[in-house]
Amino acid sequence: EAQVTQNPRYLITVTGKKLTVTCSQNMNHEYMSWYRQDPGLGLRQIYYSMNVEVTDKGDVPEGYKVSRKEKRNFPLILESPSPNQTSLYFCASSLSGYFPGYTFGSGTRLTVV
Amino acid sequence: TQLLEQSPQFLSIQEGENLTVYCNSSSVFSSLQWYRQEPGEGPVLLVTVVTGGEVKKLKRLTFQFGDARKDSSLHITAAQPGDTGLYLCASRIISSGSARQLTFGSGTQLTVLP
Repeated sequence: EAQVTQNPRYLITVTGKKLTVTCSQNMNHEYMSWYRQDPGLGLRQIYYSMNVEVTDKGDVPEGYKVSRKEKRNFPLILESPSPNQTSLYFCASSLSGYFPGYTFGSGTRLTVV
Repeated sequence: TQLLEQSPQFLSIQEGENLTVYCNSSSVFSSLQWYRQEPGEGPVLLVTVVTGGEVKKLKRLTFQFGDARKDSSLHITAAQPGDTGLYLCASRIISSGSARQLTFGSGTQLTVLP
């Protein structure tokens, strides 16, 4: 089954403790992207990647890092999480960056206390 | 400031009613996508509209792209409880600085009551 897999689904952590949210896709897609979703603010792009070793900042990249060492994986790294990074995070992949659309993972709900 | 404005923000209707939700921008869209997001899941692509004036139908859902490519609407006929979800429009906005970024509206939360 074609899918984007994120782990974990739920995570509670403390301020300053480094964490990684993993994302993997099995569709051989070139483009991958991370979004965060907050009430009233909608989905905002954090980082995106156009191919292996090619990444760029989205609208809200501060406090996040990404890497794209393999085509299928695009982990999101929070080096020193803070409470304002409490959010619902989505990884998505696309064949070409827009067409024929993005396939999203099921989300990771992160709480930073 | 949202580049894509969606209205209404919330909509609660009875099963069998018709409804229309809107997506507007002050910028011209190259094309526009509609997604639906159900609780606990990621958004799922419904349709992409490309040409000004284009109308696409997906069963009971009708999507229309404005002639000037600055607005779009989604009309649902005879809504069912299974239509409940967050409806999101998304596009590449020329003014965002990167044609590869997909920008989302804040969505319309639709609840269809049985």
